Amino acid sequence: DTGVSQNPRHKITKRGQNVTFRCDPISEHNRLYWYRQTLGQGPEFLTYFQNEAQLEKSRLLSDRFSAERPKGSFSTLEIQRTEQGDSAMYLCASSLAGSNNSPLHFGNGTRLTVT
Amino acid sequence: RKEVEQDPGPFNVPEGATVAFNCTYSNSASQSFFWYRQDCRKEPKLLMSVYSSGNEDGRFTAQLNRASQYISLLIRDSKLSDSATYLCVVNGRNSGNTPLVFGKGTRLSVIA
Repeated sequence: DTGVSQNPRHKITKRGQNVTFRCDPISEHNRLYWYRQTLGQGPEFLTYFQNEAQLEKSRLLSDRFSAERPKGSFSTLEIQRTEQGDSAMYLCASSLAGSNNSPLHFGNGTRLTVT
Repeated sequence: RKEVEQDPGPFNVPEGATVAFNCTYSNSASQSFFWYRQDCRKEPKLLMSVYSSGNEDGRFTAQLNRASQYISLLIRDSKLSDSATYLCVVNGRNSGNTPLVFGKGTRLSVIA
């Protein structure tokens, strides 16, 4: 399968715990994005990388959130001291830079439930 | 004004009907426009890009009106399998396609 891969698919954690999600983009894509989606809403932008550089972070990304893409391939998103409001679907997407019309290709997402 | 606004629906239409969705965007400098489809509890998938001159893909037609800052999606001869949420997507910056901003989506139910 050459699509975007995310794991785990589901994560249930207790409030206050730390969680980490992983995303493997399409191999030839140099841009990688993290979005968050809650019920009844569209995906909300969190952050994105071009190769290993984190180029933009949304104000939605509080200091409890950190994302890395150390070698310009896979990425991790860590949430520290989780809160119930962090419960959402976390979507990773990748694309090719350099074209204004390069669409995003999404992974299956990681559904986080904070109890 | 929100960056991307869509009528949330739901639109309930019979099989074979024609249905149209509109979407407005706030950034007049936006350059990239897309429609995505999202099935329940699945990831969004690209339906089609939207080009300045309008474009068609089978039963689906997308139009862009830069002067009024809206894009539309027309679905002809609706099928049961078209039932999904349709997300309007626009880039929020002057250059490139990042970050892409999603609308809340419009729900479509096609009824037999």
